[in-house]
Amino acid sequence: HLQLLESGSGLVKPSQTLSLTCTVSGGSISSGDYFWTWIRQPPGKGLEWIGNIFHSESTDYNPSLQSRVTISVDSSKNQFSLQLTSVTAADTAVYYCGRGSSGYNSLDYWGQGTLVTVSS
Amino acid sequence: DIQMTQSPSSLSASVGDRVTLTCRASQSISSYLNWYQQKPGKAPKLLIFGASDLYSGVPSRFSGSGSGTDFTLTISSLQPEDFATYYCQQTYSSNTFGPGTKVDIK
Repeated sequence: HLQLLESGSGLVKPSQTLSLTCTVSGGSISSGDYFWTWIRQPPGKGLEWIGNIFHSESTDYNPSLQSRVTISVDSSKNQFSLQLTSVTAADTAVYYCGRGSSGYNSLDYWGQGTLVTVSS
Repeated sequence: DIQMTQSPSSLSASVGDRVTLTCRASQSISSYLNWYQQKPGKAPKLLIFGASDLYSGVPSRFSGSGSGTDFTLTISSLQPEDFATYYCQQTYSSNTFGPGTKVDIK
């Protein structure tokens, strides 16, 4: 049974870099049938797609965040990571990692989410 | 960019009601439309992919339809565990979520 678990700092100062890792268990992150994604949700608001990373390590980012986002993968650890630079209070959100399936690119597995607060 | 809208933004319904939620894309997205259910404090769960395919393990009272720009999610007989917020997502061009429809108890 696939499980995803986000980890990282829950408090980040403005202008610094947010770093999160998603650890995948119960399956290989290297499977070509899937891609891996980050989604965020500000408190009380809707879902915002951040970006995807594919088995080829190619990436696709939300244009509104592209200049600040990097998603990378460490297959040896079965993990993928998110870095978001120059954060502001607007980046405060619950961050979810997930798995996407090829075809209609639906997100079939999600982590539990982790709250990241941007505050001095 | 493709924009997604959902209507209504919220609705109140009773157990046993038939409920229909609507999602509209700003341009044609073929069938690249997925539906998710989210309960407070929890991660979203996939319900429908490809506009009308029921994800494994999802009760058959959920169904999806539509193509192009207009899509619906129908719950044939609302159950207590269905009170939640529902999001549509287009994956035809990049990735966009709708703003959600909250279904609560009348």
